[in-house]
Amino acid sequence: DIVLTQSPALAVSLEQRATISCKTSQNVDNYGISYMHWYQQKPGQQPKLLIYEGSNLASGIPARFSGSGSGTDFTLTIDPVEADDIATYYCQQSKDYPRTFGGGTKLELK
Amino acid sequence: EVQLVESGGGLVQPGRSLKLSCAASGFTFSNYYMAWVRQAPKKGLEWVATISTSGSRTYYPDSVKGRFTISRDNAKSSLYLQMNSLKSEDTATYYCARQGAAIAAHWFAYWGQGTLVTVSS
Repeated sequence: DIVLTQSPALAVSLEQRATISCKTSQNVDNYGISYMHWYQQKPGQQPKLLIYEGSNLASGIPARFSGSGSGTDFTLTIDPVEADDIATYYCQQSKDYPRTFGGGTKLELK
Repeated sequence: EVQLVESGGGLVQPGRSLKLSCAASGFTFSNYYMAWVRQAPKKGLEWVATISTSGSRTYYPDSVKGRFTISRDNAKSSLYLQMNSLKSEDTATYYCARQGAAIAAHWFAYWGQGTLVTVSS
């Protein structure tokens, strides 16, 4: 199985940049596509898709969110951070079955 | 507007069975792979099952393979998860999810509100 590793928490100030990392145990690229996706989950709510295929912004997601990376190292950037962005963020790979998620990074206010 | 509404959760004893349902609307159900993803209390997300558009192909992680069965009824725009031989570690909120692109199963573009399954004696 492909293991995705995220830092458990990240403290950030409002209007600053947040950088959330996700490292995979195997390459999740194939034919130039990164099969890495990002989700946001607020307490008591279902997850919401933010980024798909490494860097594509999902419909309705503000341009403050961006995704980058390739191979085994990926990053979700929020710039600038707003109060509404306080949540837990998950990465997910779809290069192989079983589909796997990272453990989540809880974004907190500094 | 895409809507996914799960039902069927509840309290069940270990070893018993439960069937979850997901009613879909706002898109052409038969064009999309569908999936179940669960989240144990205070824990992260775990993919549980995926089914192809026709239902001919299904995929499971080892943790549920042989115990859970995903199915769909395209005429009713409905997704199901039959869960047998339930264990305490199956306790979680179960989310129905629509995959992102038509005829593909990579990202989870839309999620339901979830239904809580508690396995306890």
